[in-house]
Amino acid sequence: DAGVIQSPRHEVTEMGQEVTLRCKPISGHDYLFWYRQTMMRGLELLIYFNNNVPIDDSGMPEDRFSAKMPNASFSTLKIQPSEPRDSAVYFCASSLVGPPANTGELFFGEGSRLTVL
Amino acid sequence: DAKTTQPNSMESNEEEPVHLPCNHSTISGTDYIHWYRQLPSQGPEYVIHGLTSNVNNRMASLAIAEDRKSSTLILHRATLRDAAVYYCILRVPTGANNLFFGTGTRLTVIP
Repeated sequence: DAGVIQSPRHEVTEMGQEVTLRCKPISGHDYLFWYRQTMMRGLELLIYFNNNVPIDDSGMPEDRFSAKMPNASFSTLKIQPSEPRDSAVYFCASSLVGPPANTGELFFGEGSRLTVL
Repeated sequence: DAKTTQPNSMESNEEEPVHLPCNHSTISGTDYIHWYRQLPSQGPEYVIHGLTSNVNNRMASLAIAEDRKSSTLILHRATLRDAAVYYCILRVPTGANNLFFGTGTRLTVIP
């Protein structure tokens, strides 16, 4: 298996522009997570899905952020409009077992580094 | 929210064992203890997890205190490739933000 695949690996955009980050989870995994990592705040969970349904989006910072999972093999995280403080590395992860059993390991992608000027 | 406390950084000589501590005094009876590590410019990767008993796998060993308020990740022979940030995480049974990543321990391996 190719692992969790994220695109783009790097994105540089200007404030106010729309940004779309993409993720392909490992085939057969039924949980998908979006994380954001910054030096100041570390690794934060934004949202997670189970069987394509958003279960908990309490970590999404504000209405400018939205995430979708139209099918089992694809998810997007959209920021509109983007702001400089959104600059971070965004990770997608998938898992075979998720809450509440909590014994399954997460497989992370390599991340998408976003810079908003 | 159950939290963990780890030293910010540690050093080890290559080929020597490394013991990475983690305190989780507010752990509940059903929380699993997970360890992940993050190599430079990569996403975190799973290392090991346990509930009550000590655990071993090909990457490391996990020693869990009898009261479960602390645990130790053991790398038996540190290599340069083990230089990474190591996160100790509690997976709570229910609720939001299922995986709380703290600041982790940055391990430096000295050749």
